[in-house]
Amino acid sequence: AQSVTQLDSHVSVSEGTPVLLRCNYSSSYSPSLFWYVQHPNKGLQLLLKYTSAATLVKGINGFEAEFKKSETSFHLTKPSAHMSDAAEYFCVVTEQNTDKLIFGTGTRLQVFP
Amino acid sequence: EADIYQTPRYLVIGTGKKITLECSQTMGHDKMYWYQQDPGMELHLIHYSYGVNSTEKGDLSSESTVSRIRTEHFPLTLESARPSHTSQYLCASSEWGENTEAFFGQGTRLTVV
Repeated sequence: AQSVTQLDSHVSVSEGTPVLLRCNYSSSYSPSLFWYVQHPNKGLQLLLKYTSAATLVKGINGFEAEFKKSETSFHLTKPSAHMSDAAEYFCVVTEQNTDKLIFGTGTRLQVFP
Repeated sequence: EADIYQTPRYLVIGTGKKITLECSQTMGHDKMYWYQQDPGMELHLIHYSYGVNSTEKGDLSSESTVSRIRTEHFPLTLESARPSHTSQYLCASSEWGENTEAFFGQGTRLTVV
């Protein structure tokens, strides 16, 4: 069965410093992986997705993620955090054959001035 | 902006009342989903549909029911609301195919008193 593990429930960074949100996946096949962001009282928005075309995926708002099969990881990074990046971030894998989305437990990112 | 809408955004209702949460999308997507999310927690799939007259229960058991009479509409109904139903409910839709992302509505925050 497919699953994702987000290794940090909370991450705090200062504005202008790098962001790293960690995600490990478990899958017996080549997975489809996504990162979604959820701002307070808002729906989820897609940040980026891994489509197997390239291991380094660029998303919106300066975020990117690298698919590493050897480490079964799909960590989300951003070189310089902005106050508006404060939100909940979800790593997601699709279930084989059904395409159902399987969510991680989320990482809350706080950005301090 | 994704064309998927949920109403109401917020609902406070008494125990025992029947409620219907509305979800509509204008993208012509065949697949639609309902997720339940408690504050600060991950999303759990409670219902999904792959097209008109197709509905399935998700991974998390729920006392709610859904219907899919039209492609664009996927309402969720609670026949008798209880305080344990207090949560946020998120609707989503997606196209067929691999690596297709889901588009989310803004959610309905339900409080049963």
